[in-house]
Amino acid sequence: QVQLQQSGAELAKPGSSVKISCKASGYTFTSYDISWIKQTTGQGLEYIGYINTGSGGTYYNEKFKGKATLTVDKSSSTAFMQLSSLTPEDTAVYYCARCDGGLFDYWGQGVMVTVSS
Amino acid sequence: DTVLTQSPALAVSPGERVTISCRASESVSTGMHWYQQKPGQQPKLLIYGASNLESGVPARFSGSGSGTDFTLTIDPVEADDTATYFCQQSWNDPRTFGGGTKLELK
Repeated sequence: QVQLQQSGAELAKPGSSVKISCKASGYTFTSYDISWIKQTTGQGLEYIGYINTGSGGTYYNEKFKGKATLTVDKSSSTAFMQLSSLTPEDTAVYYCARCDGGLFDYWGQGVMVTVSS
Repeated sequence: DTVLTQSPALAVSPGERVTISCRASESVSTGMHWYQQKPGQQPKLLIYGASNLESGVPARFSGSGSGTDFTLTIDPVEADDTATYFCQQSWNDPRTFGGGTKLELK
C-alpha cells in the first residue's frame, strides 16, 4: 500500500534551518510529484510547492520562495524539504503528499516544526 | 491567488443530511477536491474533480459543482464523520485550500 513516512518533530532556534524528509513506498516513486503543505491553526493549509521526482524540477508558491528548498533522492525514494532562516511564523505542521494531477491522494503523517529560542 | 471560502462550523444530528459549501473567488472549472481531517491525523482525500468519489470512501459522501460554487454532501451523517472538511482547488496556481468547515454531531 502507498505510504509516505515523514521524519520526526523538530525544535529549532530562530535563524537556523531544518531539513525534513518524506520516504515513499508502495508505488513507483518517480511516477508522481511530491508536494509539501504547511498547516497552522491561524492560516490553515498553505501550499508550499512540489518537486517532480523524476527530473528534480520544482515549483514554489511565491510566498515560500527563499524559505523552502525541495530536493529528492531517487535511490531511496525520499523527498526532502529544507526550511531556512526560521522565524516563529514557521512553527507549523508540515505535510508531504503525493500529487496526482493537482490533487493530493496520499499524505504523510506530518512533522511538527517548532521555532523557539 | 484563488481564495476558497467555507463556513467555519456546522452541527448536525446523526442520520441527517449535511451540505458543506465552498465558494471560489474565480472559476476553478471542476478542479475542486475535498478532504476530511480528524484531530491529530493527516487529511484524507474524499472527492476529486468536484464529483468523483475516491476509492474506498463511503458512498454517503458526494460532491457537486463547477466554476465557483461547490458542495460536499454527507447523507446520512454518522458519528464517525466528526471532522474538519477542506476544499482545495487545482485549476489555478498556486493551489489553495479553503479554511475548513468543522462538522460536529449533536
